[in-house]
Amino acid sequence: EVQLVESGGGLVQPGGSLRLSCATSGFTFDDYAMHWVRQVPGKGLEWVSSISWKSGSMDYVDSVRGRFTISRDNAKNSLYLQMDRLRAEDTAFYYCAKDRIVGVTTGGFDSWGQGILVIVSS
Amino acid sequence: DIQMTQSPSSLSASIGDRVTITCQASQDINNYLNWYQQKPGKAPKLLIYDVSNLETGVPSRFSGSGSGTEFTFTITSLQPEDLATYYCQQYDNLPPYTFGQGTKVEIK
Repeated sequence: EVQLVESGGGLVQPGGSLRLSCATSGFTFDDYAMHWVRQVPGKGLEWVSSISWKSGSMDYVDSVRGRFTISRDNAKNSLYLQMDRLRAEDTAFYYCAKDRIVGVTTGGFDSWGQGILVIVSS
Repeated sequence: DIQMTQSPSSLSASIGDRVTITCQASQDINNYLNWYQQKPGKAPKLLIYDVSNLETGVPSRFSGSGSGTEFTFTITSLQPEDLATYYCQQYDNLPPYTFGQGTKVEIK
């Protein structure tokens, strides 16, 4: 069974930093691209970032580019999101998600974590 | 960026009703279109990929169709457990991968 478990969320002041982690199991982690998707409470879904299966390619939504960094440790089956210079508008639930197809970044998300809440507030 | 316009934003239907949701892309997305279900307090779940392909284990009352810029998601016979918000999502070519604004389905 595929499992994705996020951690590292919480309350942070504007301008601060947080590092989210996503521990995975139940699939061959280094075969798949991985993603972060966020959701402001009560609102819709927004793709945030993707990393290819071999970490050769990373992409970001414009609003976080230059502030967030996605990475992965294939030896630990883990995905990360380093979030710097946080803003109030980054407040959201953050989900890690697995890509649907082996070896390519499709942008289709077939497994999701339970989500972790990040609150940016003074 | 490709914009996805989903309608309606909410609907209320009775058990057994046919429910239809539409999603319009701002440009041709080459059928790179997924549908997700998000139940209250839960993570989204992939239901349909590439316009019309049911994810493993998804009941056959769910279906998708369309092409180009116009897509439709249908529940042929609404069940109580279908209470959820449904999102379309495009993944044509390069990021950003954008979602529709969601359709909240309520049971009458």
